[in-house]
Amino acid sequence: DVKVTQSSRYLVKRTGEKVFLECVQDMDHENMFWYRQDPGLGLRLIYFSYDVKMKEKGDIPEGYSVSREKKERFSLILESASTNQTSMYLCASSFGEWETQYFGPGTRLLVL
Amino acid sequence: AQSVSQHNHHVILSEAASLELGCNYSYGGTVNLFWYVQYPGQHLQLLLKYFSGDPLVKGIKGFEAEFIKSKFSFNLRKPSVQWSDTAEYFCAVILGNSGGYQKVTFGTGTKLQVIP
Repeated sequence: DVKVTQSSRYLVKRTGEKVFLECVQDMDHENMFWYRQDPGLGLRLIYFSYDVKMKEKGDIPEGYSVSREKKERFSLILESASTNQTSMYLCASSFGEWETQYFGPGTRLLVL
Repeated sequence: AQSVSQHNHHVILSEAASLELGCNYSYGGTVNLFWYVQYPGQHLQLLLKYFSGDPLVKGIKGFEAEFIKSKFSFNLRKPSVQWSDTAEYFCAVILGNSGGYQKVTFGTGTKLQVIP
């Protein structure tokens, strides 16, 4: 079974703090994704990566950056957290760009 | 840019009722279509997918979806829902064969509540 793990289930941070969200997958997938999930807005793609050290902007990249130094690990960075970044963050991975995505359990981030 | 519409935001059904959740997309070319489900407290997971071939696709737990190209639709159906189907359902679309790297677009989701 594919397993996608995220470093934290719940996180509370203060405005202006730098926040790191980590995601690890164990199936040697090429592609990894970061989404945020908000009520009524569904899933919105923040960034994705189709190879190590490669990254592409999604639909809402502003205020975020990513890092993929190893194939199995994809990090989402909030350089200076703001209250409007309070959300559920989901990581996913897939073998091919058109293939099924496998999701992690999510990190619920609260920025005060 | 492609878009995905799920018009039903919240659906309440009694057990044994039939279900149909709508999904429409905006792109006219080749598409790959997915339905994902998120049960309360669980990961988002694949319910079914369509890439090509028979437009009627069967998924897990008795769900099916029909791709109607002329209507740009991929509606999800189940003839008789159970309380355990209570979940949020997301339609997703990836453009196929259009060159470059394609990203998936998700709909806004439909919350299904099944009353025993």
